[in-house]
Amino acid sequence: DAGVIQSPRHEVTEMGQEVTLRCKPISGHNSLFWYRQTMMRGLELLIYFNNNVPIDDSGMPEDRFSAKMPNASFSTLKIQPSEPRDSAVYFCASSRRSAFSYEQYFGPGTRLTVT
Amino acid sequence: DAKTTQPNSMESNEEEPVHLPCNHSTISGTDYIHWYRQLPSQGPEYVIHGLTSNVNNRMASLAIAEDRKSSTLILHRATLRDAAVYYCILRFHGGATNKLIFGTGTLLAVQP
Repeated sequence: DAGVIQSPRHEVTEMGQEVTLRCKPISGHNSLFWYRQTMMRGLELLIYFNNNVPIDDSGMPEDRFSAKMPNASFSTLKIQPSEPRDSAVYFCASSRRSAFSYEQYFGPGTRLTVT
Repeated sequence: DAKTTQPNSMESNEEEPVHLPCNHSTISGTDYIHWYRQLPSQGPEYVIHGLTSNVNNRMASLAIAEDRKSSTLILHRATLRDAAVYYCILRFHGGATNKLIFGTGTLLAVQP
């Protein structure tokens, strides 16, 4: 299995631009998570989906952030408009939600720099 | 969510055992203890989890106190590749939620 795939790996954009981060979860996994990591705030859960349905988006910073999961094999995290304080590493993770398996598998992350 | 407390950093020598402590005095009966680690420039990876009994796998061992208010992750022989941030997380199993809340973790340095 290829693991969780994220693209792009690095993104540099100017303030005010729209940014779209992409994630392909592991096949067969039915839960998907978006995290953000910064030195100041550590690793924060932004939103997660079960069976393509958003369950908890309480970690989404503000209305500039939105996430979608149109099908079981693809999710996006969009920031519009982007700001310098959005600079961070964004991780996507997936898991098979069952009574016997709760491990989350993380992707390599997207390093976002907003200038 | 119940909180965990870990030392900010620890040091170990290569080939020696490492004991990483975690305090979770407000743990509830339905909380499992999970450990993840994050190697430099990578996403976190699952290490081990347990409820009440000690657990072993190919990566590590987890020793859980009888009152469950603390636990220890044991790396039996540290290697340079084990240098990472180790996160101890309490997680409720069951229900609609299966999210993880990461704390600050312990930064483990391994000296050759």
